[in-house]
Amino acid sequence: AQKITQTQPGMFVQEKEAVTLDCTYDTSDPSYGLFWYKQPSSGEMIFLIYQGSYDQQNATEGRYSLNFQKARKSANLVISASQLGDSAMYFCAMRNAGGTSYGKLTFGQGTILTVHP
Amino acid sequence: GAGVSQSPSNKVTEKGKDVELRCDPISGHTALYWYRQSLGQGLEFLIYFQGNSAPDKSGLPSDRFSAERTGGSVSTLTIQRTQQEDSAVYLCASRQGSSYEQYFGPGTRLTVT
Repeated sequence: AQKITQTQPGMFVQEKEAVTLDCTYDTSDPSYGLFWYKQPSSGEMIFLIYQGSYDQQNATEGRYSLNFQKARKSANLVISASQLGDSAMYFCAMRNAGGTSYGKLTFGQGTILTVHP
Repeated sequence: GAGVSQSPSNKVTEKGKDVELRCDPISGHTALYWYRQSLGQGLEFLIYFQGNSAPDKSGLPSDRFSAERTGGSVSTLTIQRTQQEDSAVYLCASRQGSSYEQYFGPGTRLTVT
């Protein structure tokens, strides 16, 4: 069974500073994918970044980067130059890569990020 | 282009009533997922449709829950004899066949009184 763990229920960061949101995972599948989604108070789920298990380089998307440490089974999200609009709930998720539930996402518990001015 | 749409956005129902939640995926997306987000359980997978294949129903919490997808497009999630523990936000997501990214709809907030 797949499991995602986010150990930080809440995080605070000063505007313009960088912040790291932790995520560890557990799976026996050799092929998998890791996602980060942002959920503002409006409720929509916004895709941020994706890392495939065979990708050699860490994924980056603008101010978002994923610190992928395969041996440690961690996939931390780094947000650089935080903005007030980054305040939201952040979910780490793992994609099932095969079988009858291909693409099914298993989510972590989420981390609430608050950016202070 | 149009994103994933869901209706209604909010639904309040009495315990014991049946409800239907609708999802319109992005045109051309062959994969469709339903998830549930509740305070106690977080975000959990319910059911997955892929093309004309039999759906993966492994996440449905009880036989009161069912879903169908007509014509490979619109999907309806039906909850029979609703219970208070069914109160949650029900999210639908769709994915293009060869892509990994799932696009989520705005969700339906269900409240069972």
